[in-house]
Amino acid sequence: EVQLVESGGGLVQPGGSLRLSCAASGFNFITLWMCWVRQVPGKGLEWVANIKEDGSEKYYVDSVKGRFTISRDNTKNLVYLQMNSLRVEDTGVYYCARQRPGYFDFWGRGTLVTVSS
Amino acid sequence: QSALTQPASVSGSPGQSITISCTGTASDIGNYNHVSWYQCHPDKAPKLMIFDVDHRPSGVPDRFSGSKSGNTASLIISGLQAEDEADYYCSSITTSKIYVFGSGTKVSVL
Repeated sequence: EVQLVESGGGLVQPGGSLRLSCAASGFNFITLWMCWVRQVPGKGLEWVANIKEDGSEKYYVDSVKGRFTISRDNTKNLVYLQMNSLRVEDTGVYYCARQRPGYFDFWGRGTLVTVSS
Repeated sequence: QSALTQPASVSGSPGQSITISCTGTASDIGNYNHVSWYQCHPDKAPKLMIFDVDHRPSGVPDRFSGSKSGNTASLIISGLQAEDEADYYCSSITTSKIYVFGSGTKVSVL
């Protein structure tokens, strides 16, 4: 059974940092791109970042470039999202998703990040 | 990269058909056949409903279908059922190799 389980969310002050983790199981992790998508409360989905199978390519939405870093550990089937210089507008549920060419075929249930003073 | 444009809400009675539009640009929908649709229920993981414009994953009912013309894609739900009430989002890859989602459509079953 495919599973994606996010963790690491919580309450952080503006300017602070958090590292999200996504534990993958039930599929051949090293053969697929992975990504993070977020949903701001009351608003829509926003694609945040993705990473190639071997970690050699990474892409980010403009609003997080220079602040967020996506990485992966293929020995542990983990994907990470290091979030620095957090802003109030980064508040939301962060989903980890398995990426196929052009779409996201399996999602985790998300972890809530709240940026507030 | 701006969000793709979807109607805020669409409603229909059980058994009816509804269509949700998703309008982008020549840099996303118009340039690729990688349009996908996702169903979102509160407190649940989003679910892939359509990929590559008109392909349905295993397990998705055949009352869900997709199409595309130019810069606009559409999700059609035929024979609307109560459990179809949810938020729906379209998505496309872009020429910048990043992805963009639509603004989301709330489907109500009357």
